[in-house]
Amino acid sequence: AQRVTQPEKLLSVFKGAPVELKCNYSYSGSPELFWYVQYSRQRLQLLLRHISRESIKGFTADLNKGETSFHLKKPFAQEEDSAMYYCALSPSNTGKLIFGQGTTLQVKP
Amino acid sequence: DGGITQSPKYLFRKEGQNVTLSCEQNLNHDAMYWYRQDPGQGLRLIYYSQIVNDFQKGDIAEGYSVSREKKESFPLTVTSAQKNPTAFYLCASSLGGNYYEQYFGPGTRLTVT
Repeated sequence: AQRVTQPEKLLSVFKGAPVELKCNYSYSGSPELFWYVQYSRQRLQLLLRHISRESIKGFTADLNKGETSFHLKKPFAQEEDSAMYYCALSPSNTGKLIFGQGTTLQVKP
Repeated sequence: DGGITQSPKYLFRKEGQNVTLSCEQNLNHDAMYWYRQDPGQGLRLIYYSQIVNDFQKGDIAEGYSVSREKKESFPLTVTSAQKNPTAFYLCASSLGGNYYEQYFGPGTRLTVT
């Protein structure tokens, strides 16, 4: 079965602390993986995709095929990082996305 | 924001009535998608269309119908057969394929009583 799991509903950290939002997936092929973010009163938008190997707003995510994980990390959290984060998987040749349940990140001052 | 619009923002209907949610995009995207967002369940795919006049069922298509007569438009009808229609509905579009970003609309909150 194709599935994305985000085990934490809520992650609360203090400003300046490291952040890791967990994402595990179940997929038999080579996955395309993404992180989407929804800030308060804004639309859901792409944060980063694994194929680009980029760092956006200080966030990075590494695909670990052995552990079937795609955790999102940032070394020093900022208050403006507070948002809902969704991990998503795109099965090959479908163009569709399978989303995890989402994790709310709360960065306290 | 522009590009992809959904209307109305809030919609109220009585049980047993069909209701159609609008989704329009001017991004010249081939693919369009409908998701349902419920607390604690993330986004679940209802229907998607990769090209005009063609669409596929997603994971929770029962009780919903769509059409794709124009590239710019992908309306979603919530029928009376949908057992739990009250939800937040998101429309998205993309260039298509696995690699491209999906752009999301602002959403429509449907309440059925």
